[in-house]
Amino acid sequence: DVVMTQSPLSLPVTLGQPASISCRSSQSLVYGDGNTYLNWFRQRPGQSPRRLIYKVSNRDSGVPDRFSGSGSGADFTLKISRVEAEDVGVYYCMQGTHWPYTFGQGTKLEIK
Amino acid sequence: QVQLQESGPGLVKPSETLSLTCTVSGGSISNYYWTWIRQPPGKGLEWIGYIYYSGSTNYNPSLKSRVTISVDTSKNQFSLKLSSVTAADTAVYYCARGSWELRVGVDYWGQGTLVTVSS
Repeated sequence: DVVMTQSPLSLPVTLGQPASISCRSSQSLVYGDGNTYLNWFRQRPGQSPRRLIYKVSNRDSGVPDRFSGSGSGADFTLKISRVEAEDVGVYYCMQGTHWPYTFGQGTKLEIK
Repeated sequence: QVQLQESGPGLVKPSETLSLTCTVSGGSISNYYWTWIRQPPGKGLEWIGYIYYSGSTNYNPSLKSRVTISVDTSKNQFSLKLSSVTAADTAVYYCARGSWELRVGVDYWGQGTLVTVSS
């Protein structure tokens, strides 16, 4: 299985400050069709996960533009330009290139 | 708005079979992939497998020998069976709808149901 490694695992951030989460895969996530299937989800406490970003950098509908995704190959980053209170939760990267699809272990973002 | 709801026993004995059903409302089960994902308490997410509305399936190799996912289009439901369960199968089980392209993940989730494996 493709192992997804996130860092940091815990991310205390001051409101209004930026935040960055790294996600590295054990294999390249470039699929045969040329797309890179690296997605980001957030799980708020007590809720089901919700996708924020798909194929590295595409924001889902309703996701604020302070969220951005970047990266290529096996190295990816999720950035929040200015953290707000509603951003608290656990962030997971997920690869959809190799079956079984796999998630990172999660990064818990909290307000400092 | 599409909604998914898991149902089934919250407690299963070791070595028995875990059975869950996901009921889809607000939309048709046709023309989509339907998935099961689980999350052990305090841990990360794991894909169990998925089924296309036509019945074709794909399972996580680590669970393949124990998993069956089926669909009932007449009831707008799909189901999960996991046999020979152990304490390691204790988790919140989510049913979810695959996006337009399953490789980008899922876009609608159930609320999740906790299944505990214990005697």
